[in-house]
Amino acid sequence: QKEVEQDPGPLSVPEGAIVSLNCTYSNSAFQYFMWYRQYSRKGPELLMYTYSSGNKEDGRFTAQVDKSSKYISLFIRDSQPSDSATYLCAMVRAGNTPLVFGKGTRLSVIA
Amino acid sequence: DTEVTQTPKHLVMGMTNKKSLKCEQHMGHRAMYWYKQKAKKPPELMFVYSYEKLSINESVPSRFSPECPNSSLLNLHLHALQPEDSALYLCASSQPRGRDTGELFFGEGSRLTVL
Repeated sequence: QKEVEQDPGPLSVPEGAIVSLNCTYSNSAFQYFMWYRQYSRKGPELLMYTYSSGNKEDGRFTAQVDKSSKYISLFIRDSQPSDSATYLCAMVRAGNTPLVFGKGTRLSVIA
Repeated sequence: DTEVTQTPKHLVMGMTNKKSLKCEQHMGHRAMYWYKQKAKKPPELMFVYSYEKLSINESVPSRFSPECPNSSLLNLHLHALQPEDSALYLCASSQPRGRDTGELFFGEGSRLTVL
């Protein structure tokens, strides 16, 4: 079993839809959970960052972490064509260990 | 615009060439990283520098040689590469605590093609 599982998609939604992106993980030692957004031919950009369980909201984006289920989510409300990108979940254990990325989900928001 | 600058954006080289990729950041970060990313795959960590010292080498072949001349600069020297080394090479930086928290700032990458 891989440490982090993420459905690669592609996922195609109409403009204005609510998008739900998810990752599951197997290692309960993960403490920090991130979502990176990567546009085509660009580097990843940190979008949301959460420590331990709970929710975090930033504008149209909400990140959720459920450590008991080993499940993290990113919700995008009122999705826009400019949200079309690959979304990578990532997580890390404390103690100077490398970041572990999911495979990334390709999202297309159609106008 | 990203605050991590990578040059060149594109590089084509033969298997016998020697070239270098460069990365610069002026955010005062003391940890810098090289990642390799193949198409439709997540980034793979290659090297981590912390306070200008190499702290992680993820079993990368010796044809890749990193260098951190100072706290703002990171180089990746390339020699005798193989076609399978063609990829997007990403530089990232973070505060030292970013090594625990995963808060990395990535550059736009250098797209390398090995012929």
